[in-house]
Parts: sequence; structure tokens; C-alpha cells
Amino acid sequence: AQTVTQSQPEMSVQEAETVTLSCTYDTSESDYYLFWYKQPPSRQMILVIRQEAYKQQNATENRFSVNFQKAAKSFSLKISDSQLGDAAMYFCAYRPRTGANSKLTFGKGITLSVRP
Amino acid sequence: DAGITQSPRHKVTETGTPVTLRCHQTENHRYMYWYRQDPGHGLRLIHYSYGVKDTDKGEVSDGYSVSRSKTEDFLLTLESATSSQTSVYFCAITPTGFTEAFFGQGTRLTVV
Repeated sequence: AQTVTQSQPEMSVQEAETVTLSCTYDTSESDYYLFWYKQPPSRQMILVIRQEAYKQQNATENRFSVNFQKAAKSFSLKISDSQLGDAAMYFCAYRPRTGANSKLTFGKGITLSVRP
Repeated sequence: DAGITQSPRHKVTETGTPVTLRCHQTENHRYMYWYRQDPGHGLRLIHYSYGVKDTDKGEVSDGYSVSRSKTEDFLLTLESATSSQTSVYFCAITPTGFTEAFFGQGTRLTVV
């Protein structure tokens, strides 16, 4: 069974600084997707970034980038130039590429606070 | 919001009563999911569906049943609600051609 682990329940960052959120996963699949979702206090689930396992290049979306280490099964999210609006809960998620069992598995999440 | 509507948005019910949550999508997307979110547990999959009348259990399916008699609706039923089922419930879909899931607004269910 696939598992996703986010070992840090909370983190804090100073506005304009950089913060890295950690995630590890366990799978026997070779082809899969990894995601980071953001959940602000509104409860809405927002996709932040996506990584395809067969791509060696790390995904980047504006201030958000990932460090994908496939052999280590590690998928961390780096937020640069942190803003107050980045304060939220962040979830790491995994999904195998194909099959009827292609379901999304989430980590427990990390609460990020941003200090002004 | 990818055309996903959950109803109701909030519900308070008594222990032992049946409860049905509805997830409605406006497109004919194949994959639909029900998750529950609890502090310290993240989102956990309850049931999912990959087509009409094609459903399967997730990791926390005990006490829940689902039905999908038409593509656009995925119903989650608590046959006899318990206090441990107090949670926020999310419906999600994965549209064809997409890899990620899109989520509804969530339903806050309180069982007293």
C-alpha cells in the first residue's frame, strides 16, 4: 500500500523568507504523480504544484518549486519570498499513473504560519 | 471549482440516524472520491468510484456506503451515524486528461 508521510505538523516562516516543507512516500510503483495541495482557512483545496515521476526535472510554479528525489522517495516543497497569503495547511499527495486503483493518497498535512 | 457541488454544506444530526451526503458534478467525469478530513489525519479516502455502479472501498470505509446510479451523482451514506463520524467530508473528481483531483467545498457534519 502506498503511504505518504509529512513528519512536521507545523512550521513558521518570516515574510519574504524561504521555507521548505518535507514529504516522503512509499510505493512499489515506478510511474506516478506527486502533488502539493494548499488548504487556506476557507477550507478550499487548491493545487499548488504537480510532479510526474518519469520527469527528472523538478517542477516550478512561480514562487513554488519542488525537490523531487525519486530514489529517496522524497518530495519537498520550497516556497520562496513567503507572503502572508501563503499561511495555510499544505498536503502532500501521491497517485499512481494508471489503473482502476488510481486513487489519491494524502499525508497528514503541515500547518504553515507566516510572520509579518 | 470544476463544477462540483456538495450538499448539504453543514449538517448536525443525532447518533443513530441515517445521513446521506451528495456530490454532484456537471460534467461526465469518470473518477469520483469521498474523503474525510480530521485534525492530525489529513484527508483519508472513504470510497471511490470509477464509473456508474463501479465503486470500491478506501482506507476508512467502515460505517459508510456509497452509490453511483448516474455519472453526475455520487452519494455517501452513513447508515447509523456515530460521534466518530463527526468530520469534514470532501468530494473530489479527476477529469479525463487530468492527473490531479478537484475538490468540492466540503461538508461539515456533526453527530451529537
